[in-house]
Amino acid sequence: ETGVTQTPRHLVMGMTNKKSLKCEQHLGHNAMYWYKQSAKKPLELMFVYNFKEQTENNSVPSRFSPECPNSSHLFLHLHTLQPEDSALYLCASSQDPPGGHGANVLTFGAGSRLTVL
Amino acid sequence: SQKIEQNSEALNIQEGKTATLTCNYTNYSPAYLQWYRQDPGRGPVFLLLIRENEKEKRKERLKVTFDTTLKQSLFHITASQPADSATYLCVRVNAGNNRKLIWGLGTSLAVNP
Repeated sequence: ETGVTQTPRHLVMGMTNKKSLKCEQHLGHNAMYWYKQSAKKPLELMFVYNFKEQTENNSVPSRFSPECPNSSHLFLHLHTLQPEDSALYLCASSQDPPGGHGANVLTFGAGSRLTVL
Repeated sequence: SQKIEQNSEALNIQEGKTATLTCNYTNYSPAYLQWYRQDPGRGPVFLLLIRENEKEKRKERLKVTFDTTLKQSLFHITASQPADSATYLCVRVNAGNNRKLIWGLGTSLAVNP
């Protein structure tokens, strides 16, 4: 496989469930990102990992818990979510780490559509 | 604050015509402006970027301009095709250590056969 792969593509969960989103990149990039995309809103950056170290947490509620075991894999653990958390969750990777030189071009996965009942 | 503003109204054009999408930014000029394409239910796909010191960039049927006086980037698709129908996102990238990406809402383009 090439590019950025996200699973599952669709997820429906109740507010008391615990689930995880998975992202894997096959590009050799060293930075990975979680974004949230809701209707009528621009993409919202949630977390950034650079060489598997978290470099940014954009005031995300603790019910979202990221995990980056290595530069190729990124998880987003979900627990006790709210209906307003329903959105498209996008994983991305980039070659030039934040803070370095370059244009920070992102390669995105297809996204995980989350519905919280 | 830094913002990216794109025309929220959908753009409908006839196949074969040139589509022109507008991206306006506020505050100081970014180091780069990037353009992505997004299809429904999919992640954005990078198309082109233009640097602050470049006036124009081309790639096949795509052309991007960067006007620091108007604080604006224009994205053109020439000889448009129905397959070009999608949402196009403009992104500013600042220079330096704080190279955050600031995303526009996107403009929906529909190319009618």
